[in-house]
Amino acid sequence: QITLKESGPTLVKPTQTLTLTCTFSGFSLTTSGVGVGWIRQPPGKALEWLALIYWDDDKRSSPSLRKRLTITKDTSKNLVVLTMTNMDPVDTATYYCAHVTAFYGAGPALDFWGPGTLVTVSS
Amino acid sequence: DIQMTQSPSSLSASVGDTVTITCRASQSISIYLNWYQQKPGKAPKLLIYGASSLQSGVPSRFSGSGSGTDFSLTISSLQPEDFATYYCQQSYSTPNTFGQGTKLEIK
Repeated sequence: QITLKESGPTLVKPTQTLTLTCTFSGFSLTTSGVGVGWIRQPPGKALEWLALIYWDDDKRSSPSLRKRLTITKDTSKNLVVLTMTNMDPVDTATYYCAHVTAFYGAGPALDFWGPGTLVTVSS
Repeated sequence: DIQMTQSPSSLSASVGDTVTITCRASQSISIYLNWYQQKPGKAPKLLIYGASSLQSGVPSRFSGSGSGTDFSLTISSLQPEDFATYYCQQSYSTPNTFGQGTKLEIK
């Protein structure tokens, strides 16, 4: 049974750095074809893809946020960490992590999601 | 970035109806297209991957089709639990962008 859960601060001040942790179980990030992705959703708005890390440490991130985002993994602890620098009120959103399966011939998909964590950016 | 455009943005239907949501990519993405369902206050759920492959456990009333730039999600015989917001996502290249969503409401 695959489960993921996001953790981190619920409130950050503008210009601060956000650090979110995705703790998972039921799979290993050393398994070929597996990854963990981060997605966010501002209140009442659409989903936004942020970043992804694969079993082989291949890392991808949104070009518009690349300078602010870092994604790392700790396979021994079954967790993935996302850091976002220079937070702004527009970054207020629910942040999700999700298990990624790279389906053969069909590309990667986010097939298991954490419940999400709401992060508010305000002074 | 590849832009994903869904239509309509919202849709009203009745239980038992068949509905179709479309998604258009700004460039060809082959079949690298996923569909998700999201209910209020919940995380999205994968329905379809690779444009037409049904995710395990998803009812067969959900189906997907398309390739290249034009895709569709069809829900047959709508059930009360199907009223939600639906998103398409391209997995052809990063960033794996999402559409703006289609809210399916009860008529």
